[in-house]
Amino acid sequence: DSGVTQTPKHLITATGQRVTLRCSPRSGDLSVYWYQQSLDQGLQFLIQYYNGEERAKGNILERFSAQQFPDLHSELNLSSLELGDSALYFCASTSHRDSEQFFGPGTRLTVL
Amino acid sequence: AQTVTQSQPEMSVQEAETVTLSCTYDTSESDYYLFWYKQPPSRQMILVIRQEAYKQQNATENRFSVNFQKAAKSFSLKISDSQLGDAAMYFCAYRSASGNEKLTFGTGTRLTIIP
Repeated sequence: DSGVTQTPKHLITATGQRVTLRCSPRSGDLSVYWYQQSLDQGLQFLIQYYNGEERAKGNILERFSAQQFPDLHSELNLSSLELGDSALYFCASTSHRDSEQFFGPGTRLTVL
Repeated sequence: AQTVTQSQPEMSVQEAETVTLSCTYDTSESDYYLFWYKQPPSRQMILVIRQEAYKQQNATENRFSVNFQKAAKSFSLKISDSQLGDAAMYFCAYRSASGNEKLTFGTGTRLTIIP
């Protein structure tokens, strides 16, 4: 158990819908990262938040957005879902830039 | 931009034997971190080992060790005394020490352990 929690574990929805994925980092970790793992794109960095502020953006679509709240949990919002958005979405956290990232169990999103 | 290449999509090894997984990377930075992550069927991403680029000594964690060749931009993972629980996807990952903190992953190597 990494100490990072993600909910829900599985999500099945239809094209065009909007979903929210939630992540709680390890106690004390200020940085949260979101990654997408899909069959065709592999593991890709989406976005990073540090203490409530966006710090870095990766290959995140405009239909996707994220935020980090004062209690440091983070949410990834995916809207206008397409079949290609079906993937495993990971959240990771770290206490400072020199330490390793600890991953949550992931949320498996299936878009039908 | 940094890239990570894992040229072995699949590998297999007999139980109790040794196997080496290959990884090469491309970067213009001099200071960075390299990691091997394991992803078993549960899909959890588990850190196996970490190497700081400024350290010449290769990292070791129990049965796992790396061969880090900075000039060649090579970072292989050696698993000794392979066990059935080692069966998983293994991902090599790069992270800058000074720039973006994101992890850049390779495409992974699926390791099968033969009893």
